[in-house]
Amino acid sequence: QKEVEQNSGPLSVPEGAIASLNCTYSDRGSQSFFWYRQYSGKSPELIMSIYSNGDKEDGRFTAQLNKASQYVSLLIRDSQPSDSATYLCAMAGNQFYFGTGTSLTVIP
Amino acid sequence: DTGVSQDPRHKITKRGQNVTFRCDPISEHNRLYWYRQTLGQGPEFLTYFQNEAQLEKSRLLSDRFSAERPKGSFSTLEIQRTEQGDSAMYLCASTKTGGNSPLHFGNGTRLTVT
Repeated sequence: QKEVEQNSGPLSVPEGAIASLNCTYSDRGSQSFFWYRQYSGKSPELIMSIYSNGDKEDGRFTAQLNKASQYVSLLIRDSQPSDSATYLCAMAGNQFYFGTGTSLTVIP
Repeated sequence: DTGVSQDPRHKITKRGQNVTFRCDPISEHNRLYWYRQTLGQGPEFLTYFQNEAQLEKSRLLSDRFSAERPKGSFSTLEIQRTEQGDSAMYLCASTKTGGNSPLHFGNGTRLTVT
């Protein structure tokens, strides 16, 4: 059974701080990983994709992948109240496997 | 690119009734997925299609659930004899074949079984 594990939180950070979200996965052969943001009552929205070991930056977001440790993380710099949401980590196979999500609250 | 479209947005039904949901994927996407999500949980895989072929179905999925994608374009998900435990958000997503393509989700259909 392929699994994606996330700390469900909740995680609270003050506005302007760095939020760090973590995810581990069970399938060593997986090549593609994604972070989705989901606001309450809405559907998931893709924010980052990462396929290679190392860091990938997009604006205030940085995704990190370590395939040896089977670990994916998402850093949000200069956190804003609008970043308050649940963040889902996903691993691609024939289907896409999702974690349970980490709830983030950014406190003004 | 008009995005993934789902209909209806909300459905309230009585226990024992049948319901059907529709999903229109992004036009150039040949893979279409159905997921179910309950409060505090991540999306749970139900089934997926490549073109019109249903390639995988969750072993956890009851026989009351059936999905079709008859012409490789839109898809329908039917739930027969609904139960209160079926209350959830039903999410449709599409992507292109190839491991590096992400899923793009529709707005979902919120089902409430009373």
